[in-house]
Amino acid sequence: QQQVKQSPQSLIVQKGGISIINCAYENTAFDYFPWYQQFPGKGPALLIAIRPDVSEKKEGRFTISFNKSAKQFSLHIMDSQPGDSATYFCAASISPTDFNKFYFGSGTKLNVKP
Amino acid sequence: DVKVTQSSRYLVKRTGEKVFLECVQDMDHENMFWYRQDPGLGLRLIYFSYDVKMKEKGDIPEGYSVSREKKERFSLILESASTNQTSMYLCASSLSGQGWYGYTFGSGTRLTVV
Repeated sequence: QQQVKQSPQSLIVQKGGISIINCAYENTAFDYFPWYQQFPGKGPALLIAIRPDVSEKKEGRFTISFNKSAKQFSLHIMDSQPGDSATYFCAASISPTDFNKFYFGSGTKLNVKP
Repeated sequence: DVKVTQSSRYLVKRTGEKVFLECVQDMDHENMFWYRQDPGLGLRLIYFSYDVKMKEKGDIPEGYSVSREKKERFSLILESASTNQTSMYLCASSLSGQGWYGYTFGSGTRLTVV
């Protein structure tokens, strides 16, 4: 049973558009929600993360929105660029722990068309 | 930069072979992880280790074992490879208690079992 559910599986967006990826979780003990970005041939890399004491976190064109009551969080990529084309994974964990085990979503393959 | 190095980028093995996947990190991280990545399933945790000679089962340990004789090295072992173990394998490491810094992933080993 997947602890974190992610949608959509794939996404095509025009250059300059907004990309939105959604994730949902059930375990209310989760308190740290990172997003990872993976380019072809590379391992995932931490992109942005949020803790549930805030409803939104913005870093440049990337924003995480968090809805604690709905147990949902989403990644918004504003002004999407072809260089953003990658696979995105949401994740969740209980932190801090000595061995910070993350549960990952199934991934979203984003294609930004020029 | 933290580096997690996986010894092989691509591997092709025969059914029944014993397979070793090697991972080395150079930042003195306590925690190391092995994930497998499959389309539509995201990243699933196979095993992790929070100290030398310590190991814990993840969500899908069946058919795998691990070894951590030195802090910087974490090996994944397929005792008798099967075709359903064809996958991308990702190694990751992290500092103990520093979950909000996330994982550092290697570039992955794509294993094909024929």
